[in-house]
Parts: sequence; C-alpha cells; structure tokens
Amino acid sequence: DAGITQSPRHKVTETGTPVTLRCHQTENHRYMYWYRQDPGHGLRLIHYSYGVKDTDKGEVSDGYSVSRSKTEDFLLTLESATSSQTSVYFCAISVDGASSYEQYFGPGTRLTVT
Amino acid sequence: QKEVEQDPGPLSVPEGAIVSLNCTYSNSAFQYFMWYRQYSRKGPELLMYTYSSGNKEDGRFTAQVDKSSKYISLFIRDSQPSDSATYLCAMSHYGAGSYQLTFGKGTKLSVIP
Repeated sequence: DAGITQSPRHKVTETGTPVTLRCHQTENHRYMYWYRQDPGHGLRLIHYSYGVKDTDKGEVSDGYSVSRSKTEDFLLTLESATSSQTSVYFCAISVDGASSYEQYFGPGTRLTVT
Repeated sequence: QKEVEQDPGPLSVPEGAIVSLNCTYSNSAFQYFMWYRQYSRKGPELLMYTYSSGNKEDGRFTAQVDKSSKYISLFIRDSQPSDSATYLCAMSHYGAGSYQLTFGKGTKLSVIP
C-alpha cells in the first residue's frame, strides 16, 4: 500500500455541506495526487501536489480544493458537496527520482452525498 | 475520441486460459505504459510498466507495447481465480512539472474455477 492511508474510509454527507478527505503518507514523497473513480469514467485526476504549498489542477478540479501544509498530508476539500461528487476517491503518490512516473494508490474513500 | 480506449468487458474465462487485455491510445506524447490491477473495493495496484516498444515479462504476466500502432496489451498465462479483478491500463507523459497518468476505464476479468 506504499505507506498511504486515507481517512475517512467511508462517509455519507448531505448536499451543501463541506467535506474534507485526508491522505497521509509515511515516506515523505514529493508528489501526491487525488483521483476520483466513477463507473464509465475510470480514474480521473482532480488535483495534484509537487511539494508543500505547491498544488495544481487536474482534469476534474471544479468544486474541489486542496491543501498541503506538510509533506506527509494532502487534503481534499469539497466546499459544498453535491450529489455529482458521490464517488470513490483515491490518493496516490509517486516516488521521487527516476521512477517518478510510477504512481501508488491508497485504499480509497467512498463518499456518498445525499 | 478519448485519449485511451479500453474495452470494459466483462471478460469471463476458465481457469488456466490465456487472457489478453488491450488498450489503444491516440496521444503520441505518452512515454510510459502501465497496467494496474484493482480488486473489488481496493485501490489500484501497479502490476507492470514498460517504456519502449516490445515485450516485458514478469512471471505469468507479459506486457506488450506497439508504439507504431499505439496499442498495448497485457497477457496472463495460466489464469487463476485470484486473477479475477479489474485491470486498468495507464499511460504517462511529462507535463506541468510532473508525470501525468491517463487511465483506461478498466476491463473486469473473472476467472472461473
């Protein structure tokens, strides 16, 4: 599991409420990613980070924000959750150096917005 | 046209069969080609990666890349029930300061004992 934990693992929330998902890694890798996985769409990149306070948008970033104040933690926030954000969210890291194209995934967070 | 196309299946085979999983792509900038295995309700697990055209073997798994045809394959020999999972192809190119991965939608494989 590449030393990646995600919390919570499951969450049910109501439309309009803010939600924060946490990704924690134990190996101080520079690059971290947030993806969502939906039937018929596969894995899509939401945001990624290439260092503390350095983040950038991915393919489906609307409605999401991220923060990285420490190397080991990458937070994904849904400012005002909508039903379209019901999904499984995966965090990933890539190792530093020559193999940085390889990404390793956490166990996922299953989010339901009612 | 999506950058990466993958037949979603489902694909059902008897134990011991040879399985062939395939993806096509349209972006010539892709440099690295990966296969992930994802068991139900788990995170994707990196199985294999290749860089150049040709074959790469790891046990019962062989990854094949044909850059001229923009086509990649994963072969599983002597398939086992434990191989039942969804297989995702992924392709990487360097952009905006990091390697970006583009995934296929995944092929669900069932190996029947």
